[in-house]
Amino acid sequence: DSGVTQTPKHLITATGQRVTLRCSPRSGDLSVYWYQQSLDQGLQFLIQYYNGEERAKGNILERFSAQQFPDLHSELNLSSLELGDSALYFCASSEGIMSTDTQYFGPGTRLTVL
Amino acid sequence: AQSVTQLDSHVSVSEGTPVLLRCNYSSSYSPSLFWYVQHPNKGLQLLLKYTSAATLVKGINGFEAEFKKSETSFHLTKPSAHMSDAAEYFCVVSDPYSSASKIIFGSGTRLSIRP
Repeated sequence: DSGVTQTPKHLITATGQRVTLRCSPRSGDLSVYWYQQSLDQGLQFLIQYYNGEERAKGNILERFSAQQFPDLHSELNLSSLELGDSALYFCASSEGIMSTDTQYFGPGTRLTVL
Repeated sequence: AQSVTQLDSHVSVSEGTPVLLRCNYSSSYSPSLFWYVQHPNKGLQLLLKYTSAATLVKGINGFEAEFKKSETSFHLTKPSAHMSDAAEYFCVVSDPYSSASKIIFGSGTRLSIRP
């Protein structure tokens, strides 16, 4: 158990809808990362927050947004969902902001868009 | 620009035999390199990482990897495979002087273990 929790485990929704994925980092970790894992694109970094501030941005679509709250949990919002957004979404956390910091991954949220 | 290539999408070995998962990288800087393991329906777990210290890096569960700059490789090895090693393995490269946006994951190697 990594200490990172993600809810929900599974999410099934329809095209055009909006969903929110939630992540709680390990105790003491200030950085939260979001990743998307799909069969055709593999694992892709989406976005990183550090202590409430956006720190780095990857291949995140404009329809997607994230935030980190004062208690350090994070939410990833996906809107105007398309079939291609079906994927596993992972959250990870680390103590600091460096790309060399060890990241601890949550179990993921499996999103299915019908 | 950075990139990482995992040379085998699938590797199958017999239990008790050595494991070799190959990874080549390209980086403009002296990179940081990682191996992660993903068991079915689980998140990723760090096996080991190289951050410019010793070139031979020992990780968890008996795995190790050697950073070879001349070959731009970071292959993962284990002397004796166990059934519990069956999983997906990801090689990851990052620029240690840059942000998380420069973290690049390989496409993964699925390791199967034959009894």
